[in-house]
Amino acid sequence: GESVGLHLPTLSVQEGDNSIINCAYSNSASDYFIWYKQESGKGPQFIIDIRSNMDKRQGQRVTVLLNKTVKHLSLQIAATQPGDSAVYFCAERGSGGSNYKLTFGKGTLLTVNP
Amino acid sequence: AAGVIQSPRHLIKEKRETATLKCYPIPRHDTVYWYQQGPGQDPQFLISFYEKMQSDKGSIPDRFSAQQFSDYHSELNMSSLELGDSALYFCASSLEGGSYGYTFGSGTRLTVV
Repeated sequence: GESVGLHLPTLSVQEGDNSIINCAYSNSASDYFIWYKQESGKGPQFIIDIRSNMDKRQGQRVTVLLNKTVKHLSLQIAATQPGDSAVYFCAERGSGGSNYKLTFGKGTLLTVNP
Repeated sequence: AAGVIQSPRHLIKEKRETATLKCYPIPRHDTVYWYQQGPGQDPQFLISFYEKMQSDKGSIPDRFSAQQFSDYHSELNMSSLELGDSALYFCASSLEGGSYGYTFGSGTRLTVV
């Protein structure tokens, strides 16, 4: 499989604990942010999103926090399970014009120990 | 629900050969994006198409080209392949600038030997 873990920040937690994954984004004009989960050899899978007019959004077991002042995103996973083990990326969308591509931040490898 | 379909899933090519990767977006999505992901790296944007016209360009080598066809599927053509082109290539599609989200395909793993 991929040697994803060799170059990425890592977070190791025990099953049942809460996990917090952080991300710094680059463009203060970005208006939309998405967290993706990526398992080895697979495509990014949507977890949760948030728009720039919000600072918090909750989903099932996941919460995203947005701090526009310091250009920071965090993903909180409650009661982390072994199936949550994966690489997590934040992505930002630029605003204005036709520039709707997503720009990815550095991923974090989450390992959940049973 | 229909997803983004990429083919082939795996591709092995020799140096200096050419490769063509295909992407079939979600029906009615108007924009396709291509990304390259090296081992342990975040996905890097290559190029995008909106309504069959190139809409944005990232760090795509001149050896690569892409287009979107009338049925909205897209192809990424890669020539004079180098060892460093070995990576996962993802396609994503969206509607109305991503206002309803972006959906990624499972990717094509290209290995250049």
